[in-house]
Amino acid sequence: KAGVTQTPRYLIKTRGQQVTLSCSPISGHRSVSWYQQTPGQGLQFLFEYFSETQRNKGNFPGRFSGRQFSNSRSEMNVSTLELGDSALYLCASSLSATESPLHFGNGTRLTVT
Amino acid sequence: AQKVTQAQTEISVVEKEDVTLDCVYETRDTTYYLFWYKQPPSGELVFLIRRNSFDEQNEISGRYSWNFQKSTSSFNFTITASQVVDSAVYFCALSEAGGFKTIFGAGTRLFVKA
Repeated sequence: KAGVTQTPRYLIKTRGQQVTLSCSPISGHRSVSWYQQTPGQGLQFLFEYFSETQRNKGNFPGRFSGRQFSNSRSEMNVSTLELGDSALYLCASSLSATESPLHFGNGTRLTVT
Repeated sequence: AQKVTQAQTEISVVEKEDVTLDCVYETRDTTYYLFWYKQPPSGELVFLIRRNSFDEQNEISGRYSWNFQKSTSSFNFTITASQVVDSAVYFCALSEAGGFKTIFGAGTRLFVKA
């Protein structure tokens, strides 16, 4: 069974630009969650999608958005990038997002210069 | 509000020592789930164990064991006879029924020296 796939693995962007990250969940998993990991703040929850609906959102500004497609694939978008957005963005899929464990992808390392 | 505290930032042990990673959580829910994940140097987070709030049985899996105590809101993780391959960052996490999100502790970095 293929794991969670995130693309791209690395990105370098300039302040003010926007970026789109992609996540393909494990087959059969309909819940996709996104996390931001930084040395200072640790793992912070961004949002969770299930059947194309956002069910929960973390405490991030509106520049961070996401969506989920009918095949459960998900994208997250960050607009007007800031230096502080540099982080490892992790996508996780699960059966339920609550009682089921999260299966993480390798992440996308975003560097904003 | 949910909160997970891993007070130990870094632990360093010598191979074959036993080590316990502490996790204390806060939640108002009566139904919740606790998890441990491992993040090796390669970066990918790997699920280790799940516990629900109604199951206080301790669990042992090989060299790993977990002690869940609702009375102290703790879910501690012990590695027996540690090995160099155990070197990683370990995260404790909590999710509430119907919350649709998992909250992670800050993580404990474990160094196991040969």
